[in-house]
Amino acid sequence: EAQVTQNPRYLITVTGKKLTVTCSQNMNHEYMSWYRQDPGLGLRQIYYSMNVEATDKGDVPEGYKVSRKEKRNFPLILESPSPNQTSLYFCASSPWDRSYEQYFGPGTRLTVT
Amino acid sequence: DQQVKQNSPSLSVQEGRISILNCDYTNSMFDYFLWYKKYPAEGPTFLISISSIKDKNEDGRFTVFLNKSAKHLSLHIVPSQPGDSAVYFCAALTGANNLFFGTGTRLTVIP
Repeated sequence: EAQVTQNPRYLITVTGKKLTVTCSQNMNHEYMSWYRQDPGLGLRQIYYSMNVEATDKGDVPEGYKVSRKEKRNFPLILESPSPNQTSLYFCASSPWDRSYEQYFGPGTRLTVT
Repeated sequence: DQQVKQNSPSLSVQEGRISILNCDYTNSMFDYFLWYKKYPAEGPTFLISISSIKDKNEDGRFTVFLNKSAKHLSLHIVPSQPGDSAVYFCAALTGANNLFFGTGTRLTVIP
């Protein structure tokens, strides 16, 4: 089954404790992206990647890192999480020439206390 | 500053009638405009797109209209069905592959 998977689905952590949210897709897509969804703000793009070793900042990249060492994986790293990073995070992927038609994962709900 | 705006947080429509969801944008450099649908506890799913060089795109019960002079797009669902009840996000894609979403409109289709 073609899908985007994210782990963990739920995470509660404390301020300053480094964490990684994994994202993996099995559709051989070149384009991958991370978003956060907050009430009243919709979804905002954090980082995206057009292919392996090619990453770019989205609308709200501050406080986040990403890497793209393999085509199928695109982990989101929070080196020192803060409470304002409490949010619902989505990973998405698409073919490079159809980045408007993205396939989204089920989401990761992160709470930073 | 929000580049894509959905000013109606919610909309209720009777089953069988037309649903019209609206979206405004500020950046005239967007290449594509999109609509995504989201059910609770799931990721958004792609619904329909329109290129900036077109003014209409139709896919079954869903039609998207683009008015570039007004920087406005709308999604028409005809006829509306209870299964269409969801949050609908308008989005716009730049040539650099940045995707900007609106804040969403919750559609409720009443049986």
